[in-house]
Amino acid sequence: DAGVIQSPRHEVTEMGQEVTLRCKPISGHNSLFWYRQTMMRGLELLIYFNNNVPIDDSGMPEDRFSAKMPNASFSTLKIQPSEPRDSAVYFCASSLSLDRTFPYGYTFGSGTRLTVV
Amino acid sequence: AQTVTQSQPEMSVQEAETVTLSCTYDTSESDYYLFWYKQPPSRQMILVIRQEAYKQQNATENRFSVNFQKAAKSFSLKISDSQLGDAAMYFCAYRSRAFGNEKLTFGTGTRLTIIP
Repeated sequence: DAGVIQSPRHEVTEMGQEVTLRCKPISGHNSLFWYRQTMMRGLELLIYFNNNVPIDDSGMPEDRFSAKMPNASFSTLKIQPSEPRDSAVYFCASSLSLDRTFPYGYTFGSGTRLTVV
Repeated sequence: AQTVTQSQPEMSVQEAETVTLSCTYDTSESDYYLFWYKQPPSRQMILVIRQEAYKQQNATENRFSVNFQKAAKSFSLKISDSQLGDAAMYFCAYRSRAFGNEKLTFGTGTRLTIIP
C-alpha cells in the first residue's frame, strides 16, 4: 500500500483565492482525519469522518473551511476565501476502527504546506 | 476534554546515550491509547510506540520504551543508544477508546537534538 496520499505537497496562493487540499486514505481504513499544524497552536484536529460521515467538525475554524468525503477513497478540505492566517501544514490521517478495537493505529500523509500571501 | 502536556520544549543527548522525554495527560476515562510520534525535518509523522491503558506492561520497540504510570497519568519515552537519526520533534498523543471519539489529542512536542 502506498500509504495516505496527500496533494499537493506545497501550495502557495494569494489571499482571497480558493484552495483545495486532497487526501486518499489507505484502502480499507474507515476513519479519516484532517489536522492542521502551526507553530502557535501545534497539531489540532479540524474534522474527522467515520465511514464517510463527518463525526466531529468542532475544530473547523469558521465557515471558510469545508471538508467532504464523497467516498471511502477520497476526501477534500477546501478553504474559500483563503487568508494569510490559514498558512500551515495540513495533515490527513486514516485508521481502521473495529467496534472498540483499534488494531492498526493511525497513518499520516506527508502533509500539504499551505502558504497564503 | 482530554489534555496532553509535554513540559520539555527541547532536549539534547549525546550520541549513544539514553534520553527520556516526559508526557503527562489528563482524562477522566479509564480506557484509552497513548502514542509517541516522531516528526523529522521531512515533516512526516511517524509512529514510534503505542500503549493501551488496560495493559500494565510497558510497551517496547527496539531502542524505544515507555514508562506508563496510569495512576500518575504519566507516559514517558526512553530512547536508548541514541542515534543521529533520532533527531526530531517528538509528540505525545492520547486517543479515547470511546466509540465516536477517535481523535488524537497531541502535546506541544519536544525537540530532540542528538550531539555527535
